[in-house]
Amino acid sequence: GAGVSQSPSNKVTEKGKDVELRCDPISGHTALYWYRQRLGQGLEFLIYFQGNSAPDKSGLPSDRFSAERTGESVSTLTIQRTQQEDSAVYLCASSASSGYNEQFFGPGTRLTVL
Amino acid sequence: GENVEQHPSTLSVQEGDSAVIKCTYSDSASNYFPWYKQELGKGPQLIIDIRSNVGEKKDQRIAVTLNKTAKHFSLHITETQPEDSAVYFCAASILIGDMRFGAGTRLTVKP
Repeated sequence: GAGVSQSPSNKVTEKGKDVELRCDPISGHTALYWYRQRLGQGLEFLIYFQGNSAPDKSGLPSDRFSAERTGESVSTLTIQRTQQEDSAVYLCASSASSGYNEQFFGPGTRLTVL
Repeated sequence: GENVEQHPSTLSVQEGDSAVIKCTYSDSASNYFPWYKQELGKGPQLIIDIRSNVGEKKDQRIAVTLNKTAKHFSLHITETQPEDSAVYFCAASILIGDMRFGAGTRLTVKP
């Protein structure tokens, strides 16, 4: 079956602009995660959605970052007034709601803020 | 919360040799320990995982061991090949929605 998909694969924007990144999770996966990965670094948790529960936003670095999810499908991560330090790969992952936390990752969106 | 430490940060081996990457975790309630391989320009791919009710799991050339008492787990790759070159991440999880990743190990296999 199809895996997690993300779009766009690359995004170049100017400082101060807003950007939207999209994630399509694996069908049937109710849990969805966003991570940030700076060049050569590990995975930094941003936000987690589980079904209709309130999302866990504890990893969002500032109020310029927000995310939404439509039901148990598509999610968008929005970064407002982008800064150069926002440049990174943004990864989305999904997992089933029951059992162990097996997360499956998308290919990521590489964001470059000029 | 959970804290995962991973060593070494870089590892270089000759083709055919074995590679071992070690991780420690802090929360004894963690019950799921996956390993991810990330190739350049791609998202992390799950390569093997182990659950807290077993001590060892093997899949062809890769194996993972878990020591719950010491709270550490390791990835073993035998007969390494150049295509094993990548960044490897360990992680520990207690519940759905709570996954902590190690900082990663860059493995280079020299032909």
